[in-house]
Amino acid sequence: AQSVTQLGSHVSVSEGALVLLRCNYSSSVPPYLFWYVQYPNQGLQLLLKYTSAATLVKGINGFEAEFKKSETSFHLTKPSAHMSDAAEYFCAVILNSGYSTLTFGKGTMLLVSP
Amino acid sequence: KAGVTQTPRYLIKTRGQQVTLSCSPISGHRSVSWYQQTPGQGLQFLFEYFSETQRNKGNFPGRFSGRQFSNSRSEMNVSTLELGDSALYLCASSWGQGSHNEQFFGPGTRLTVL
Repeated sequence: AQSVTQLGSHVSVSEGALVLLRCNYSSSVPPYLFWYVQYPNQGLQLLLKYTSAATLVKGINGFEAEFKKSETSFHLTKPSAHMSDAAEYFCAVILNSGYSTLTFGKGTMLLVSP
Repeated sequence: KAGVTQTPRYLIKTRGQQVTLSCSPISGHRSVSWYQQTPGQGLQFLFEYFSETQRNKGNFPGRFSGRQFSNSRSEMNVSTLELGDSALYLCASSWGQGSHNEQFFGPGTRLTVL
């Protein structure tokens, strides 16, 4: 079974609309969850991470994610999309807290139209 | 503070050749990880190094190898290149090991095997 599953390889929204990118994790994995963003021809940038201090995690650029144990979900949201948000987004998990090794989902490409 | 740097940024090789990629972590960071990114397989973990020791290894053939130097700089080597090795190779560094250490990614090396 996949450790993290991202629903939808592509998501299209209009500028100003709500952004919702879905990530579900396997209930057998420890809750070290992350969202990364990748702009074209660039590396990955950390948007936010779940640290168990709070279930609602706020990240950079207005993004946030809510950890829901009952639904094994860690969906990424932003109230109002900007054109500059167009990028690929990856949900990731660390399976062994002793390492830094990230296991990534397949990614979701966010397309923002004017 | 300078970010993670990877050299070269682009590389073209032919089948059967070997290649060495370099990663310089952020100053003070002692952990370096490598990932391969392809359209088909997504982001896959290759190696994780900490204080010159390989601490974790992904599921790749022995043609893929790496090392870390005393200044934390890391190299990865791929011998007997195959067409399927064409990918973006990403390096990430963090201060230490473990899930609480934020990883910072470099821009990647784009390897094309002809």
